[in-house]
Amino acid sequence: EADIYQTPRYLVIGTGKKITLECSQTMGHDKMYWYQQDPGMELHLIHYSYGVNSTEKGDLSSESTVSRIRTEHFPLTLESARPSHTSQYLCATQGQGSNQPQHFGDGTRLSIL
Amino acid sequence: AQSVAQPEDQVNVAEGNPLTVKCTYSVSGNPYLFWYVQYPNRGLQFLLKYITGDNLVKGSYGFEAEFNKSQTSFHLKKPSALVSDSALYFCAVRAPYNQGGKLIFGQGTELSVKP
Repeated sequence: EADIYQTPRYLVIGTGKKITLECSQTMGHDKMYWYQQDPGMELHLIHYSYGVNSTEKGDLSSESTVSRIRTEHFPLTLESARPSHTSQYLCATQGQGSNQPQHFGDGTRLSIL
Repeated sequence: AQSVAQPEDQVNVAEGNPLTVKCTYSVSGNPYLFWYVQYPNRGLQFLLKYITGDNLVKGSYGFEAEFNKSQTSFHLKKPSALVSDSALYFCAVRAPYNQGGKLIFGQGTELSVKP
């Protein structure tokens, strides 16, 4: 079972602020993903990484950026938050092999005022 | 193009009755198929997967799913529903490895089990 930690769980912040959402994992998985999900709605892949120094944009255009300096951490940054960024952000990892499931953290619910 | 469809936004079932949550897929090559459940204010939790072999796969909490290649379906089932099964359910398919192996999710089905 993968252990994936997302912080903060909830964040309410004003427009224009710089925000970093943290995601860390203890399983040593190379593959990590960020999804955006509106309440009760489908998931949209916004970023992914296949290992250290690897980052790719996902299927949904996002104004956020990510970095992967260490295997364990995959932070997501919004340089200037806007109300349109209000959403839930889910981080996931995947072990070696394409037959492996993704494992998810509990998410960060972000509200931009 | 690869895709997953969950034709029902919501499924309502009485406790103790069997439940089915439907999923159909479109993908080139042999699909890897997954079911996840999401409870309020939580991430997705893996239930079961089909990779190869027996078309009926069993997973967590008494759930099972049947892979049907001719109908390109992977419906989730449970013989006797519990109120605690009420949640959001997602079907997902893995694209062929040469396209990044990303998971493609359906739009989700909300399951409501009434006492």
